[in-house]
Amino acid sequence: DGGITQSPKYLFRKEGQNVTLSCEQNLNHDAMYWYRQDPGQGLRLIYYSQIVNDFQKGDIAEGYSVSREKKESFPLTVTSAQKNPTAFYLCASSIDRGGGALAKNIQYFGAGTRLSVL
Amino acid sequence: DAKTTQPPSMDCAEGRAANLPCNHSTISGNEYVYWYRQIHSQGPQYIIHGLKNNETNEMASLIITEDRKSSTLILPHATLRDTAVYYCIVRVSERAAGNKLTFGGGTRVLVKP
Repeated sequence: DGGITQSPKYLFRKEGQNVTLSCEQNLNHDAMYWYRQDPGQGLRLIYYSQIVNDFQKGDIAEGYSVSREKKESFPLTVTSAQKNPTAFYLCASSIDRGGGALAKNIQYFGAGTRLSVL
Repeated sequence: DAKTTQPPSMDCAEGRAANLPCNHSTISGNEYVYWYRQIHSQGPQYIIHGLKNNETNEMASLIITEDRKSSTLILPHATLRDTAVYYCIVRVSERAAGNKLTFGGGTRVLVKP
């Protein structure tokens, strides 16, 4: 089945530790995104990438880092600089080039990773 | 992107139609209305979008008023699996850089047996 796979489903971070959240898609989408969701809140954009080897900061990039070495993969690292990392992290992808203007706004989401601090 | 206003919550009886309103009085001519939903502890799911004509797909119908200041998402026969938070998003079809989706508070829909 085509889709977006996030792993792990649950993750625990110790103080001072970096952790990496995986996001893989087999939809052949150009653009990928990372959002953070706090309890009872909407989604906030952390980073996005419209093409391999390029990515841009979103609204809350501090304390996070990403890479986009392959079209299918967009891992997110939560660094020790992120002092309040406990949240639900969602990865998404969308057609960018060649999909038409409206398709850019149809984002497909993974099942999410729930990160907690020990 | 235009701001949207949705009721925080609503209940619906299983098997009945669920009508979810959204106000977007500041919408501009090149902005589309998109609907997503998020079932508890899952990622959001795209439902439908429209500009000014009514739209229907296998999941729902979207009714947009003639002045485009409000819209209604209709789930024709709600099931228990439709219990979710529904988000109405208004945005232009093309962005210069990045395609951030701004999810506001949404409407928490509870479908009751």
